[in-house]
Amino acid sequence: AQTVTQSQPEMSVQEAETVTLSCTYDTSENNYYLFWYKQPPSRQMILVIRQEAYKQQNATENRFSVNFQKAAKSFSLKISDSQLGDTAMYFCAFMNPNAGGTSYGKLTFGQGTILTVHP
Amino acid sequence: GAVVSQHPSRVICKSGTSVKIECRSLDFQATTMFWYRQFPKKSLMLMATSNEGSKATYEQGVEKDKFLINHASLTLSTLTVTSAHPEDSSFYICSARVAGEKLFFGSGTQLSVL
Repeated sequence: AQTVTQSQPEMSVQEAETVTLSCTYDTSENNYYLFWYKQPPSRQMILVIRQEAYKQQNATENRFSVNFQKAAKSFSLKISDSQLGDTAMYFCAFMNPNAGGTSYGKLTFGQGTILTVHP
Repeated sequence: GAVVSQHPSRVICKSGTSVKIECRSLDFQATTMFWYRQFPKKSLMLMATSNEGSKATYEQGVEKDKFLINHASLTLSTLTVTSAHPEDSSFYICSARVAGEKLFFGSGTQLSVL
């Protein structure tokens, strides 16, 4: 079974600064997907970024980038030029594409990190 | 992008009554629907997985008779909380798998049982 750990329950950052959220995971799989989701106060889950384990290049989406260290099983999210709208709970999640049948698409989430961006 | 419509967004019910939550995929066919439960400021916990036309697969510890899941078509899945009690109060979210690893989440339902 896979596990995902986010060791930072809460973090805060000043507007325009950079913040990094940590995530580690445990799996015996070689191929998998990792995600960062944002859940703002509206509670809608929003996909921030996705990483495929077989790709060595770190994924980037505008101000969001990841540092994917496969050997260390680490998947941190860096938010540059933080904006007030980035205030949300962030979840790291794992998906095993090799899971057959009904398990394909199942996400294992970390505990979440509440990020507050201060003006 | 693909949209998953989840209704109702908020429901308050009396203890002992049943509540149905619907998730509809509006512009795609969802082969698999996942149902999650979330407590305040906590993570999402998978309750069950449903595939169109077959019985749902429940996670360990989730009561099948309390949380009835129906996936009668490729565009509609429902979660019915039967004989709801205050401890069932929670935020429920569905997630539809389109193809491969692509997932789309509903907007969630806050259930409050009095």
